[in-house]
Amino acid sequence: GAGVSQTPSNKVTEKGKYVELRCDPISGHTALYWYRQSLGQGPEFLIYFQGTGAADDSGLPNDRFFAVRPEGSVSTLKIQRTERGDSAVYLCASSLMAATSPNTEAFFGQGTRLTVV
Amino acid sequence: AQSVTQLDSQVPVFEEAPVELRCNYSSSVSVYLFWYVQYPNQGLQLLLKYLSGSTLVKGINGFEAEFNKSQTSFHLRKPSVHISDTAEYFCAVRLNNAGNMLTFGGGTRLMVKP
Repeated sequence: GAGVSQTPSNKVTEKGKYVELRCDPISGHTALYWYRQSLGQGPEFLIYFQGTGAADDSGLPNDRFFAVRPEGSVSTLKIQRTERGDSAVYLCASSLMAATSPNTEAFFGQGTRLTVV
Repeated sequence: AQSVTQLDSQVPVFEEAPVELRCNYSSSVSVYLFWYVQYPNQGLQLLLKYLSGSTLVKGINGFEAEFNKSQTSFHLRKPSVHISDTAEYFCAVRLNNAGNMLTFGGGTRLMVKP
């Protein structure tokens, strides 16, 4: 597809369950980012990949959150033992050029709305 | 660490009226500045960005913003709004000497009334 694709668009899970959220970046984009947007707030940075490696994971809130990008394209955000406070929209973005390039534009997906009940 | 403050959580305005959405930031190093728009059930879309050079930047859909370094502000303006401009607007900063992580403000909901 032409844009960043995130699946599922909505996910409802029970407290304590494990969930996986998928992000398909724009083809050829080497940089990939995950953000979390809680209700009524702006997106908050979680993790950034350059290729297959996590270049910056300083935004992950705790060790229940983990993300992978094994082949440098699709990424999966994994949340273990979900809690009600994890409910949010999880946004993925990708960009073409190296992270430090000033002209790099990040393109965002529509997000996955996670609800933990 | 850097931070972004959007002073107004909601801005109601009548169609064809001018609007200004305020954004202030703090950072100990130079930053790049961005405005994004989020329509209902859609992803974030870049409106405009300031990297360097002229402090007045023009974006899509008739929006513009002015970078004011002394006031650490990057307010977004449009001289005449349309109903279709109703959306959530986010100001964001990115450090210019680090990775591509964006720090967002809390957002401003622009509500254009007929």
